[in-house]
Amino acid sequence: QVQLQESGPGLVKASGTLSLTCGVSGASISSNNWWSWVRQPPGKALEWIGEIMHTGATNYNPSLKSRVIISVDKSKNQFSLNLRSVTAADTAVYYCARADPTISGVIIYGMDVWGQGTTVTVSS
Amino acid sequence: EIVLTQSPGTLSLSPGEVATLSCRASQRISNSYLAWYQQRPGQAPRLVIHSTSNRAAGIPDRFSGSGSGTDFTLTIIRLEPEDFAVYYCQQYGSSPPWTFGQGTKVEIK
Repeated sequence: QVQLQESGPGLVKASGTLSLTCGVSGASISSNNWWSWVRQPPGKALEWIGEIMHTGATNYNPSLKSRVIISVDKSKNQFSLNLRSVTAADTAVYYCARADPTISGVIIYGMDVWGQGTTVTVSS
Repeated sequence: EIVLTQSPGTLSLSPGEVATLSCRASQRISNSYLAWYQQRPGQAPRLVIHSTSNRAAGIPDRFSGSGSGTDFTLTIIRLEPEDFAVYYCQQYGSSPPWTFGQGTKVEIK
């Protein structure tokens, strides 16, 4: 059973850098799928942040691209999110998820496994 | 960037009734790569439907998806108490960003 677990500080100072890690268990980070980050501000909708493959290939949301870096650590079977120059607008629950896995020969275009989410508050 | 507009914002229904949720895209979604997620309060989203009409693993057959081009629908028949939640659509069209709709809340009437 594939499981994802987010970890990182729950409080980040404004203008600082938000850093989160997603540990993957039950699957290899080198699997042929994308690993994604999604966030949800309080009471609002989901927002796709970006994704990475084990090769290091990345896609980012243009609205965040200038501030975001997603990286992968194969040795630790995990991937990470760094968001710099944070403001109160970055306060949200941050989720990591597996996207586009191939199951029984079929590509599932969607995020089929999610972490429980971690709340990050940006303080002034 | 493809913008997804979901309607209605809130759907008030009773258990046993049928829920029909709409997701309209600002441009055609390639290959109908449209997914639906269910999010219960305090929980992470759960994939319900992928590629417009394919149920994800463990999803009961009272959930169905349909549509093409720019108009997509999630239908839930015989609503069960656990189905009352917020539902989001997400597109995996031709290129990122893979945007979400703003959500439809299915609440108990």
